[in-house]
This record gives sequence, C-alpha cells and structure tokens, in this order.
Amino acid sequence: EDQVTQSPEALRLQEGESSSLNCSYTVSGLRGLFWYRQDPGKGPEFLFTLYSAGEEKEKERLKATLTKKESFLHITAPKPEDSATYLCAVRKSSGDKLTFGTGTRLAVRP
Amino acid sequence: ETGVTQSPTHLIKTRGQQVTLRCSSQSGHNTVSWYQQALGQGPQFIFQYYREEENGRGNFPPRFSGLQFPNYSSELNVNALELDDSALYLCASKDTSGDSEQFFGPGTRLTVL
Repeated sequence: EDQVTQSPEALRLQEGESSSLNCSYTVSGLRGLFWYRQDPGKGPEFLFTLYSAGEEKEKERLKATLTKKESFLHITAPKPEDSATYLCAVRKSSGDKLTFGTGTRLAVRP
Repeated sequence: ETGVTQSPTHLIKTRGQQVTLRCSSQSGHNTVSWYQQALGQGPQFIFQYYREEENGRGNFPPRFSGLQFPNYSSELNVNALELDDSALYLCASKDTSGDSEQFFGPGTRLTVL
C-alpha cells in the first residue's frame, strides 16, 4: 500500500532561520511527487511537481528536491507569511489519485 | 482563467440526512477529483470523474456518490450522514495531460451534528 510520511509534524522557526521539511514515501511506480501549501480552512495551493530522483525545483524561498525514497522542502530565510501547512503527495503510474501525508505545520515568528 | 470554485462554503447537517456539494472546474480542465480532509489530516481520495464517468475510487462506501456534467462541473452526494463525515471536502481539477497537476478549490466545510 502506498504510504507518505511527513516530518516533523510541526515546526516553529524564527524569521530568517532556514530549515527543511521531509517527506518519505513508499509507492510502486512513482509518477510524480507533489508539494502543496495549505492555509487554515482553505484548499491546498500547488507548489511543485518532481518526477525523478535528482530533480530540484525552486520558487522564491522554497526549494524542493527528490531522491528515490524521500523529498525535502527547503525553506531559506523564511518570513511570517510562509506560515502554513505543507503537504506532500505522490501519484503512481496508474491513475491520477494523489496519496497525501498528514502535513507539516510551519509557524514563522517575526 | 478562473480557478476551481466550490459551493457552499459551509454546511451544517444532522446525522442521517443527505447532502450535495458542488464544484466548477478550472477553465480548460475536464477531470475532477474529490477528496475528504478530516481535521489535522491530509486529504483522502474519494473518487474521480472524467467524461461524466467515475474513473477511480478510494476506500469510501457507496453512500458517497458523484456526478459530472457536460460542462465538467461536478457534484458530490453523501447519503445517510454520519458524525465522522464532518470534514473539509475538496474538489480538484486537471486537464487530460497525463502528468498535469491537480488544482484544488477552497473546499466545503461540512459539519454533521
């Protein structure tokens, strides 16, 4: 069965304090690993898709990387507006179903 | 380009009742998926619709059903509501390109009393 595990569950950072979020996965036939950002009471907002080990993508202060077993979301010099829950999801080769982890709640203090 | 929209925003029902949630897909998207997100959890896949047919289903009982219309909008129907059905219901749409991303709507918060 496909599994996605995110760590830590919650993370508190001081503004400017860089860190990384982890997403480890077990899936047969990975056809994409996705990162989403979700603000309280809202729908997930798409950030990145990674398809193969070694791939990296960047957007502003965020950088996502992928290995054969896990993905990292690196946050460089975060700001309070980066506070949100970050969700990781995988899609396998058959179908469009996304299997999500439980997310990492990030709080950035000014 | 309009994004995914959902209605209503919030809904309160009592146990045993039935509910219909609605979703309009993003412009140019013909595939719609529904997810249930309980508090503190990640979204769980309910089912997907493509060309007005169910095209994949997660571990949800038959009292969860859906429809897709010719304009690609979709409905999620839940019969015989249970307390555990209280959750944020999310709709996501994508185009037919195999590797395209799913874009989510704002969700409908359902509370079952």
